Amino acid sequence: NAGVTQTPKFQVLKTGQSMTLQCAQDMNHEYMSWYRQDPGMGLRLIHYSVGAGITDQGEVPNGYNVSRSTTEDFPLRLLSAAPSQTSVYFCASSYNIVQEKLFFGSGTQLSVL
Amino acid sequence: GESVGLHLPTLSVQEGDNSIINCAYSNSASDYFIWYKQESGKGPQFIIDIRSNMDKRQGQRVTVLLNKTVKHLSLQIAATQPGDSAVYFCADSPRAGGTSYGKLTFGQGTILTVHP
Repeated sequence: NAGVTQTPKFQVLKTGQSMTLQCAQDMNHEYMSWYRQDPGMGLRLIHYSVGAGITDQGEVPNGYNVSRSTTEDFPLRLLSAAPSQTSVYFCASSYNIVQEKLFFGSGTQLSVL
Repeated sequence: GESVGLHLPTLSVQEGDNSIINCAYSNSASDYFIWYKQESGKGPQFIIDIRSNMDKRQGQRVTVLLNKTVKHLSLQIAATQPGDSAVYFCADSPRAGGTSYGKLTFGQGTILTVHP
């Protein structure tokens, strides 16, 4: 049981490039979400999903897209990377939205030059 | 907007001492509270949670206390060990209903350093 798996662990992009951060969970969790963590800002919610085919915006969704075609996977897409998107990104899941106890992945450290 | 905050950004203790990490919240609709531990280079790890119908909950070496009157949350770690050194986050989410339901609001974190 691997829990929440994120790839890659590190990534460097040039401004304007696009990429997808991968997230997969093997716990059959309904709820999945993406957070970014910046110094002094805490964890901020980017997008979340309450089940396959359902996604919604969080606190800081601009510049990011998500989709949820399966229960297991919840990729985060950066369409045109900007330096302001330099951050550490965490994927998290929980059994359902009511449980609220989130399980986090190990993070992706992204630098946009 | 309303947010969860912390009183102290850093806390240093000696091994074997008890540690208390505090958190103030401002959202009167907060119903659920949770503490996470984050070690360097890792994702947050669940420690303990509590709902607003309780004022105390205990786990293994940890206790969470909730004072709804003054909107204050604390995490107590008994017999602190060097392995407890990490950043500790509190977070909350509001009661059912409304657009914020189920969305955790995180504080900035307290750095706990345990000296051998």
